[in-house]
Amino acid sequence: GAVVSQHPSWVICKSGTSVKIECRSLDFQATTMFWYRQFPKQSLMLMATSNEGSKATYEQGVEKDKFLINHASLTLSTLTVTSAHPEDSSFYICSAIRGGLAGSTYEQYFGPGTRLTVT
Amino acid sequence: GQSLEQPSEVTAVEGAIVQINCTYQTSGFYGLSWYQQHDGGAPTFLSYNALDGLEETGRFSSFLSRSDSYGYLLLQELQMKDSASYFCAVRGNTDKLIFGTGTRLQVFP
Repeated sequence: GAVVSQHPSWVICKSGTSVKIECRSLDFQATTMFWYRQFPKQSLMLMATSNEGSKATYEQGVEKDKFLINHASLTLSTLTVTSAHPEDSSFYICSAIRGGLAGSTYEQYFGPGTRLTVT
Repeated sequence: GQSLEQPSEVTAVEGAIVQINCTYQTSGFYGLSWYQQHDGGAPTFLSYNALDGLEETGRFSSFLSRSDSYGYLLLQELQMKDSASYFCAVRGNTDKLIFGTGTRLQVFP
């Protein structure tokens, strides 16, 4: 199968500090990774698309300078929440797609998510 | 704008059949996906329809009508473990997925 891991699974930080979340594809190379956030009982909201070796593409309304994304290799993307505030508390989930697939199927493989609480 | 609408909640009993509908309005369309998410967990892939018609995978089936911008997920022989949130998601002109509002399914004994 295709496994995506995230670290940490949960984190508590103080307001004003920065937090880095890692997303790794464990058994495949991910040309593209995605970052979502999800508030309780709500849907997944796409934040940005991360492509290896290039700048991330952010969705409208997502602050680039606040949510820094780095996709340094084909198996690792990181999301850094800078100067975190309580309203940034959320469930952050990454996903990855394999390179080279074509045809009638399309699947994103999701990580287990990171629960961020800013106090 | 883009929107995907689903019923917010559906309830059913074990062994029953449930259909979760999804209507979408997007600027581009390559296919419709369905994902299951248990509370606190990651979304897991259920199905993907790029062409009109019904796709069957075990107890789950997914249907797409591109002309109607409509799809549904059919869950048969419901089990307690099927209690979860179900999301439809459209793959547009890029590899992005735009997720629907989500449907919370509760299965009762």
